[in-house]
Amino acid sequence: EADIYQTPRYLVIGTGKKITLECSQTMGHDKMYWYQQDPGMELHLIHYSYGVNSTEKGDLSSESTVSRIRTEHFPLTLESARPSHTSQYLCASSDSGRPGRSEDEQFFGPGTRLTVL
Amino acid sequence: KNQVEQSPQSLIILEGKNCTLQCNYTVSPFSNLRWYKQDTGRGPVSLTIMTFSENTKSNGRYTATLDADTKQSSLHITASQLSDSASYICVVSDRGSTLGRLYFGRGTQLTVWP
Repeated sequence: EADIYQTPRYLVIGTGKKITLECSQTMGHDKMYWYQQDPGMELHLIHYSYGVNSTEKGDLSSESTVSRIRTEHFPLTLESARPSHTSQYLCASSDSGRPGRSEDEQFFGPGTRLTVL
Repeated sequence: KNQVEQSPQSLIILEGKNCTLQCNYTVSPFSNLRWYKQDTGRGPVSLTIMTFSENTKSNGRYTATLDADTKQSSLHITASQLSDSASYICVVSDRGSTLGRLYFGRGTQLTVWP
């Protein structure tokens, strides 16, 4: 069982509100990721981080921002939520290749289901 | 364009029956292929991983196969259980970047009926 946590699990919020989705992992992984997933669709990478103070945008353009001040923590922020942001957000982490493990094995959190009214 | 296509999109089977899910990919250069199981409202969990040189990998009642020449993979589930109801996602990793970019299929939604 992967030790990666996301809060809140569900969030319903009005348009224009600022929100932060939390993601924490206790595995000491250096790489962390945020994905967006709509029902019946594939996961899309929106942000990733190689380590502390490193953040990059993913394949899918997103109005969200991320920060990586601590290894274990990778929060995602939406300054002004809109209905188009309604989706499931999945956080994941991976290490840089420890013996016996494939470098890109990503462990996923349970996700945050965001609904913007 | 690197892509991962899965079929069928959805599948309903009776408890105890076997089934096979398909995955075709065009990702290049190829690093490895994983099958993930995603329960409703949860994050994906890895079932199997196969590299270029492996053509079969088992994990309990799950058996994955890989044909790197035809760029096809399958996931066979034996003696299905109600708890197998989930989305099964094929994920292919490339070797073209330090990130180890992952390409996700849309998944096959499996429903097991009693």
